[in-house]
Amino acid sequence: NAGVTQTPKFQVLKTGQSMTLQCAQDMNHEYMSWYRQDPGMGLRLIHYSVGAGITDQGEVPNGYNVSRSTTEDFPLRLLSAAPSQTSVYFCASTPRGGPGEQFFGPGTRLTVL
Amino acid sequence: GQQVMQIPQYQHVQEGEDFTTYCNSSTTLSNIQWYKQRPGGHPVFLIQLVKSGEVKKQKRLTFQFGEAKKNSSLHITATQTTDVGTYFCAGKNTDKLIFGTGTRLQVFP
Repeated sequence: NAGVTQTPKFQVLKTGQSMTLQCAQDMNHEYMSWYRQDPGMGLRLIHYSVGAGITDQGEVPNGYNVSRSTTEDFPLRLLSAAPSQTSVYFCASTPRGGPGEQFFGPGTRLTVL
Repeated sequence: GQQVMQIPQYQHVQEGEDFTTYCNSSTTLSNIQWYKQRPGGHPVFLIQLVKSGEVKKQKRLTFQFGEAKKNSSLHITATQTTDVGTYFCAGKNTDKLIFGTGTRLQVFP
């Protein structure tokens, strides 16, 4: 199993551009989530999904959209990038219906100029 | 909303010294998890505590969950250079997992 994969590893955007961060898992996990990590602020939950077709907002959802059309994929869309969205983004999955042990992807480092 | 705070933010210790990080939630948690993140890496799951007052050990690491299920601690006995990293607690409330702010541990040989 590849586990949780994220692409791209690094990305530089200009203010106002849009993009999609990809996340995929091959472990048939029901629960998936997106976090952003900023220095001194830990990991903050952006959006999460308890299963295909179901998504919900986390602590900091503004400026981000998600969808969960399949169990495997959980893309995160930045609608109009802002410098405040410069961060490291982690996708995670867990095998049960709720947030048990989370398996994290390697992360995407995003810089918005 | 739910907040999870950790103290201290940073800790520098000499190899062989003990280390403790504390986690406090503003709300009662159904469970608490602990993760370790090495520099440049991603968080890796260490353990989950579910019961009030629960204590679990993993070699030199001891994890406790408070009686009121609003706080937790991680204690490392006789730190080693391999313990370097940031330790996060994460509290489960309904279907969300909220991470604490983390404690960054530096160990000097």
